[in-house]
Amino acid sequence: AQSVTQLGSHVSVSEGALVLLRCNYSSSVPPYLFWYVQYPNQGLQLLLKYTSAATLVKGINGFEAEFKKSETSFHLTKPSAHMSDAAEYFCAVTLSGSARQLTFGSGTQLTVLP
Amino acid sequence: KAGVTQTPRYLIKTRGQQVTLSCSPISGHRSVSWYQQTPGQGLQFLFEYFSETQRNKGNFPGRFSGRQFSNSRSEMNVSTLELGDSALYLCASSLESGAGEAFFGQGTRLTVV
Repeated sequence: AQSVTQLGSHVSVSEGALVLLRCNYSSSVPPYLFWYVQYPNQGLQLLLKYTSAATLVKGINGFEAEFKKSETSFHLTKPSAHMSDAAEYFCAVTLSGSARQLTFGSGTQLTVLP
Repeated sequence: KAGVTQTPRYLIKTRGQQVTLSCSPISGHRSVSWYQQTPGQGLQFLFEYFSETQRNKGNFPGRFSGRQFSNSRSEMNVSTLELGDSALYLCASSLESGAGEAFFGQGTRLTVV
């Protein structure tokens, strides 16, 4: 069975500061990992995905994540936060190689302070 | 290209009733997955349909069911509604294979009173 743990249900950063959202996974086999963002009353939008092609993955809106097998981590970062980044972020894992059946973390609410 | 469409967006039902939610996937997508999102349990996988067949099912009671039509549109049904069924129900469509993206609809907000 696979799972993901997101450390920190709420993270606050100042506009222009580094964003770091943490995700650790548990899996007996190499996983496929995803980061999604959700704005209020909206569905989920894919930010980026790791599918074993490269350990550093670049996504949309300036976000990137690095897969570290030794640390079983897939943390999401952005060098400079923007007010529009305020949203809830979810890390997800699947073993099947497809996004059809995702196991999600509990989410991290990002607040960006002016 | 149109996205995933879920109808209705909001729904209020009374305990004990049943409800049907609809999802139209992106054109060409044959896989439809359903998720329940609640503040307490987070995002949980309900089931996945492909070519009118349920391929995977999450850990939900039998009151939750679904189906998929030949045009890939999917419906999910919840019978004998309970207060705890109040949630945002999200549908996602994706291509058949590969580590492709799951495209999510905006969800149906179900409130059981």
